[in-house]
Amino acid sequence: QAVVTQEPSLTVTPGGTVTLTCGSSTGAVTRSHYTSWFQQKPGQAPSTLIFNTNNKDSRTPARFSGSLLGGKAVLTLSRAQPEDEADYYCFLSFDGIRQVFGPGTRVTVL
Amino acid sequence: EVHLVESGGKLVQPGGSLRLSCAASGITFSTYAMTWVRQAPGKGLEWVAVISGSGGSLYYGDSVRGRFTISRDNSQNTVFLQMNTLRPEDTAVYYCAARAKNHSVDWGQGTLVTVSS
Repeated sequence: QAVVTQEPSLTVTPGGTVTLTCGSSTGAVTRSHYTSWFQQKPGQAPSTLIFNTNNKDSRTPARFSGSLLGGKAVLTLSRAQPEDEADYYCFLSFDGIRQVFGPGTRVTVL
Repeated sequence: EVHLVESGGKLVQPGGSLRLSCAASGITFSTYAMTWVRQAPGKGLEWVAVISGSGGSLYYGDSVRGRFTISRDNSQNTVFLQMNTLRPEDTAVYYCAARAKNHSVDWGQGTLVTVSS
């Protein structure tokens, strides 16, 4: 089974920009992996930020964006707010239906 | 608005069985692939199983294959997870998620399964 990689933790200053990446042990992440990004705050269920690489959920703030860069999926958070402090998980599809989560990135706004 | 409600989680002894349900509303259920995801205490998200909209395609994560069975009843807008031969390491909050054809994902609030003697 493929292994998905993410940074364990990142810190961003309020108003700053942070970039989270999502890689795959099988090679470059492409649009065919239909990357999703989920945010999870303590004690809450996950919520979807990005689906299908760069599409925003209707509730996703404009400061979040998804893309592909250098063989990885990327989640960019611009103008970070204190409420963005959370765990962020990427999610890749393989062969169209098998799915694997990354280990998550804890983002601290400090 | 998509609404997913999981139920069936409880305390069960090792080796026991449990059936989880997830009732969906606000969607054309048969057009959505349904996924079970779990999260052990203090750990990350783990993909458990997925079933296609028609129910004709099923896939499982390595840690549950052969013990868990995913199914769905499109007439009742419900997806199930039958869990057999439960182990302490199956202790987790189990979430269901609905995935549309455009790959958007909606989540339920989860149900807690505790496997302990």
